[in-house]
Amino acid sequence: AQTVTQSQPEMSVQEAETVTLSCTYDTSESDYYLFWYKQPPSRQMILVIRQEAYKQQNATENRFSVNFQKAAKSFSLKISDSQLGDAAMYFCAYTSLTGANSKLTFGKGITLSVRP
Amino acid sequence: DAMVIQNPRYQVTQFGKPVTLSCSQTLNHNVMYWYQQKSSQAPKLLFHYYDKDFNNEADTPDNFQSRRPNTSFCFLDIRSPGLGDAAMYLCATRGGRAYYNEQFFGPGTRLTVL
Repeated sequence: AQTVTQSQPEMSVQEAETVTLSCTYDTSESDYYLFWYKQPPSRQMILVIRQEAYKQQNATENRFSVNFQKAAKSFSLKISDSQLGDAAMYFCAYTSLTGANSKLTFGKGITLSVRP
Repeated sequence: DAMVIQNPRYQVTQFGKPVTLSCSQTLNHNVMYWYQQKSSQAPKLLFHYYDKDFNNEADTPDNFQSRRPNTSFCFLDIRSPGLGDAAMYLCATRGGRAYYNEQFFGPGTRLTVL
C-alpha cells in the first residue's frame, strides 16, 4: 500500500518570501501521479499542481513549483513570493496511474500561515 | 462553469436522526467520491462510485450509505448520526480516463450533530 508523509504540521512564511513544504511517499509502483491540494479555511479544496512520475521535469504553475525526486520519493512544494491568500492547509496526495477507481492517498496536511 | 455542488452547505441534525447530504456535478464525470474530513485532518474516503458500481471502503461504518441515481447526482445517507459523525463531508469527482487522475472537489457540507 502507498503512504504519504507530511511531517511538518505547521509552517509560517513572511509575505513575499519563499517557503517549501515537504512531502515524502512510499510506493512500489513506477508510474503514478502526485498532487498538491490547497484547502483555505472554510473553502473548497483545489488542485495547486500535479506531477506525473514518468516526467523528469519538475512541474511549475506560476508561483508554485515542485521538486520531484523520484529515487528519494520526495515531492516538495515551493511557493515563491508568498501572498496572504496562500494561507491554507496543503495536502500532498498520491494516486496510481492504473486502475479505474484510482483513489487519492493523502498526507496529513500542513497548515501554512502567511505573516503580513 | 462546470462544477461540483453540495447541498446543503451546513446541516444540523439530532443524535440518531437520519440525514441525507447531496452532491451534484456538471462535469459529466463517471467517478464520484464521498469523503469525511474532521478538523485539521486529511479527508478520509468513505466510498466511491465508478458509474453505478459501488465501492465501499473496508472501514466505513454501516451507518453510512450512498446512492447514485444517475451520473450527475450522488447522495450520502447517515442512518443514525452519532456525535462522532460531526465533520465536513466532501464530494469529489473524476473523469473516467486515467489521464491525470485529478479529483475535483465540492465545497463540502459541514454536519453538526446535537
